Amino acid sequence: GQNIDQPTEMTATEGAIVQINCTYQTSGFNGLFWYQQHAGEAPTFLSYNVLDGLEEKGRFSSFLSRSKGYSYLLLKELQMKDSASYLCAGGSSNDYKLSFGAGTTVTVRA
Amino acid sequence: EAQVTQNPRYLITVTGKKLTVTCSQNMNHEYMSWYRQDPGLGLRQIYYSMNVEVTDKGDVPEGYKVSRKEKRNFPLILESPSPNQTSLYFCASSPGGYHGYTFGSGTRLTVV
Repeated sequence: GQNIDQPTEMTATEGAIVQINCTYQTSGFNGLFWYQQHAGEAPTFLSYNVLDGLEEKGRFSSFLSRSKGYSYLLLKELQMKDSASYLCAGGSSNDYKLSFGAGTTVTVRA
Repeated sequence: EAQVTQNPRYLITVTGKKLTVTCSQNMNHEYMSWYRQDPGLGLRQIYYSMNVEVTDKGDVPEGYKVSRKEKRNFPLILESPSPNQTSLYFCASSPGGYHGYTFGSGTRLTVV
């Protein structure tokens, strides 16, 4: 595995912004994925970064710094339905092989 | 509908009784993978496959076998299940690279 680290829990208010950080070991790393997983459901793919910089997809953005072994997922204009676990995953072997962090549970409060 | 289908959804079995969890995808994806998910440990990759007859070990392959005889199917075999294999299992497929994996609905396995 790649020792992916991310915070266990975060809480934010509806309409606010939350940033979920993820750090990883850079050895053997290729690309960085973010997934969303609602309780009792399968993970769903959110974003992929292979180059340094910010990728924006609607209310969700993901950032990567390869030299620092650091990524974050930014969730804007939070909605109640965004309450879920967010999983950071590092890809190796051309991204066939993924190592996941334990996930960050985000709770959105009214 | 494009999907990854795994069966069964729930399974309770006894120690040592061989079982197979099936996985099938209808998206013609090259890559398939099996994960297990445990509280506090996140998703851990068991095996992955890059194409028919090409498989490789993930981070936790001990006690599991896989085969990829056809592109669409990637069954997970537990020859002699033990209680420490009680977990939530996900099968996933991907066309490769930046597309990410599409996950099946999961199989909750309990070994007593």
